[in-house]
Amino acid sequence: NAGVTQTPKFQVLKTGQSMTLQCAQDMNHNSMYWYRQDPGMGLRLIYYSASEGTTDKGEVPNGYNVSRLNKREFSLRLESAAPSQTSVYFCASKSWAGLAGGNEQFFGPGTRLTVL
Amino acid sequence: DAKTTQPPSMDCAEGRAANLPCNHSTISGNEYVYWYRQIHSQGPQYIIHGLKNNETNEMASLIITEDRKSSTLILPHATLRDTAVYYCIVISNFGNEKLTFGTGTRLTIIP
Repeated sequence: NAGVTQTPKFQVLKTGQSMTLQCAQDMNHNSMYWYRQDPGMGLRLIYYSASEGTTDKGEVPNGYNVSRLNKREFSLRLESAAPSQTSVYFCASKSWAGLAGGNEQFFGPGTRLTVL
Repeated sequence: DAKTTQPPSMDCAEGRAANLPCNHSTISGNEYVYWYRQIHSQGPQYIIHGLKNNETNEMASLIITEDRKSSTLILPHATLRDTAVYYCIVISNFGNEKLTFGTGTRLTIIP
């Protein structure tokens, strides 16, 4: 199993450009998450998808949109990139085994985004 | 309000036990203590979690005080590869709770 994969690994954008970060997991997990991590900071949740067909805002959703394309894939889109969105973006997934699903999340390797 | 408090940094000699403390005085009855770590530039990695009993797995041990207001993550024989930022997170195990990462403890293993 590849686990959680993210593409691209690195990206440089100019202010105002748009792009989509891709995430896929092969663990048959129900829930998927997008986080951002600024230098020297902890991770902050952008959006999450509890199950296929649902998405919800996290702590810092402004400037982003998401699509849960199917159970495997969860993409994050920046419609008009800003320098404040320069960050490392991590995707994660989690199994949801009924009510006591646990919170062991599996993370991808990250996408390093610079907006000039 | 922060749910957990951790020291910003710690050092530990290679081969010794690394003991990372975490205070969570406002923990509620249905909340678990989770530990993750993040090795430089990588995605976070789950280590261990517990409710009230001590837990051990192949990576670490977790000691939770009887009043559940604090806990200690123990890496029994630290290696250089254990150098990372360690996050203590308090969260309910039910439903779809979101992980909230603070700034964690930066553990440096010294040769």
